[in-house]
Amino acid sequence: GAVVSQHPSRVICKSGTSVKIECRSLDFQATTMFWYRQFPKQSLMLMATSNEGSKATYEQGVEKDKFLINHASLTLSTLTVTSAHPEDSSFYICSARDLLGLGLADNEQFFGPGTRLTVL
Amino acid sequence: QKEVEQDPGPLSVPEGAIVSLNCTYSNSAFQYFMWYRQYSRKGPELLMYTYSSGNKEDGRFTAQVDKSSKYISLFIRDSQPSDSATYLCAMTRGGKLIFGQGTELSVKP
Repeated sequence: GAVVSQHPSRVICKSGTSVKIECRSLDFQATTMFWYRQFPKQSLMLMATSNEGSKATYEQGVEKDKFLINHASLTLSTLTVTSAHPEDSSFYICSARDLLGLGLADNEQFFGPGTRLTVL
Repeated sequence: QKEVEQDPGPLSVPEGAIVSLNCTYSNSAFQYFMWYRQYSRKGPELLMYTYSSGNKEDGRFTAQVDKSSKYISLFIRDSQPSDSATYLCAMTRGGKLIFGQGTELSVKP
């Protein structure tokens, strides 16, 4: 149980284009989903928190107009990188928190496998 | 200063060795203390968690928290090549996870 998927797993795009990444909770309902960014050999940095049916909350320094987040249902959140540039190349990981509080720890987040974005 | 500090390594040990991974933190408001394992190009998976000072054991893994020193550790006994991965400590604050940089571990057969 508690599986989170991401699609695509890898994407290469040209500078200036937009890319959409999907995050799905497959066997549970997630009131909250999180989006992280990870550079090589670096920590996961929280970008934003999204709650189903409401606007996402972005961390300081994250451009909300560049990284559009939509959490339309209890099982799906999307991150759209708009007008992507080479510096946006990174590993993007989502996580989901179970509605019923399942997991090893209270408020445990279950992570997706990540999406590697390369902007040429 | 980062809220959570972790030596990135890399750390290389022979099979069967005891591995010690550590993190320090500066924020007393952290509630839960967790260790995640991340294989290359994969998402992290939760290994251990605790919320109080002391030790917690699960098989070959022991998590240790010392709130007075703001120091947490993960010990791996009888390490195996399959333990080779990046280990990230993480702490919760206001429902958010704050990660350390991760320590890259390699266990040689």
